[in-house]
Amino acid sequence: GENVEQHPSTLSVQEGDSAVIKCTYSDSASNYFPWYKQELGKRPQLIIDIRSNVGEKKDQRIAVTLNKTAKHFSLHITETQPEDSAVYFCAGGAQKLVFGQGTRLTINP
Amino acid sequence: DVKVTQSSRYLVKRTGEKVFLECVQDMDHENMFWYRQDPGLGLRLIYFSYDVKMKEKGDIPEGYSVSREKKERFSLILESASTNQTSMYLCASSSPGGFRRAFFGQGTRLTVV
Repeated sequence: GENVEQHPSTLSVQEGDSAVIKCTYSDSASNYFPWYKQELGKRPQLIIDIRSNVGEKKDQRIAVTLNKTAKHFSLHITETQPEDSAVYFCAGGAQKLVFGQGTRLTINP
Repeated sequence: DVKVTQSSRYLVKRTGEKVFLECVQDMDHENMFWYRQDPGLGLRLIYFSYDVKMKEKGDIPEGYSVSREKKERFSLILESASTNQTSMYLCASSSPGGFRRAFFGQGTRLTVV
């Protein structure tokens, strides 16, 4: 079945530095790749998404890149701030959305 | 504002009980999903539905069933609750098409004792 692998499981960076989270997917038919942020005790919230006909998308300090050939996509957060600390999930799929295992990002002041 | 509402925030049930988790969305979305969230395992899809009275199995459907009698409501049923079903359950809905942006409910923390 469809599978999405996410790395790393935990990531700690200094405030102001960049953070990168990577995901790979197995289903070649996957055509939609969202990223969600989940703060402690809250529901996952969509932060950025990309379709398979686009290689990169940027929204202020966050960007997502997609390599369809290699079946991987990444989330990039620049100039990290304490409020970026959360668990981040990637997802992919053709019909249904399959999620990665999550990355706990900690921003150290 | 987009709204997906789950009927309970916390539930405690006994082993063997039949448990109903309800989810309602007000966005007229065709797609609805039930996920379970466990530490280190991410969000795993239990069941989803593309339309009223339609359902599809996800990755971990065993021990669960669903019901979708109305477009806005999607129910998850634990036929006979077991302790390994203690988890956070998240409902989501999305529109069909290219950008299938899913919106989540606040989650139900179910404890089976």
